[in-house]
Amino acid sequence: DAGVIQSPRHEVTEMGQEVTLRCKPISGHDYLFWYRQTMMRGLELLIYFNNNVPIDDSGMPEDRFSAKMPNASFSTLKIQPSEPRDSAVYFCASSSVNQPQHFGDGTRLSIL
Amino acid sequence: GDSVTQMEGPVTLSEEAFLTINCTYTATGYPSLFWYVQYPGEGLQLLLKATKADDKGSNKGFEATYRKETTSFHLEKGSVQVSDSAVYFCALTLLSGTYKYIFGTGTRLKVLA
Repeated sequence: DAGVIQSPRHEVTEMGQEVTLRCKPISGHDYLFWYRQTMMRGLELLIYFNNNVPIDDSGMPEDRFSAKMPNASFSTLKIQPSEPRDSAVYFCASSSVNQPQHFGDGTRLSIL
Repeated sequence: GDSVTQMEGPVTLSEEAFLTINCTYTATGYPSLFWYVQYPGEGLQLLLKATKADDKGSNKGFEATYRKETTSFHLEKGSVQVSDSAVYFCALTLLSGTYKYIFGTGTRLKVLA
């Protein structure tokens, strides 16, 4: 079975540009999580969805960040406008009830 | 609130040495506990889990026992290999109501040949 698929794997862009990160969860999973990982702050939960509905977005750093899940097989995380401090590795993970989370390989984002 | 505390790394060991990475937790309910491993350039992978007190999770020679009395879930391996070099994360989740995970800060393990 395919795991969680994230794209792109790497993104380098200039400050002020819009960035869109994409995630395809494992088929049948009804929970989807977005995390950010940095050396300074470790792994932070940004937002998670259940059945395509956002449940907890308290980890989203500011209004520049937004996430959507239009259907069960696709989610996006957008940053607009991007800033250098947004540079990090962003992970998507999915799970079903009472099952462990499965992580994608992440998107390494660099904002110049 | 709920939290996970891991020993700080890095941990550097010689091949075939015994490994312990300490993990303690604070939780209001009855959490499930996990160890995840992250290899360079990859996402986190589930290593093992335990869902109730006194359960022992095991995988690939790694073990951890859910100790409710000491609120601990220490990771152990009897003989580490160079290929075990990675970052290890302890995590908990309360499987009632919310499926949010609380992760520790991670412990980097480096195994020398």
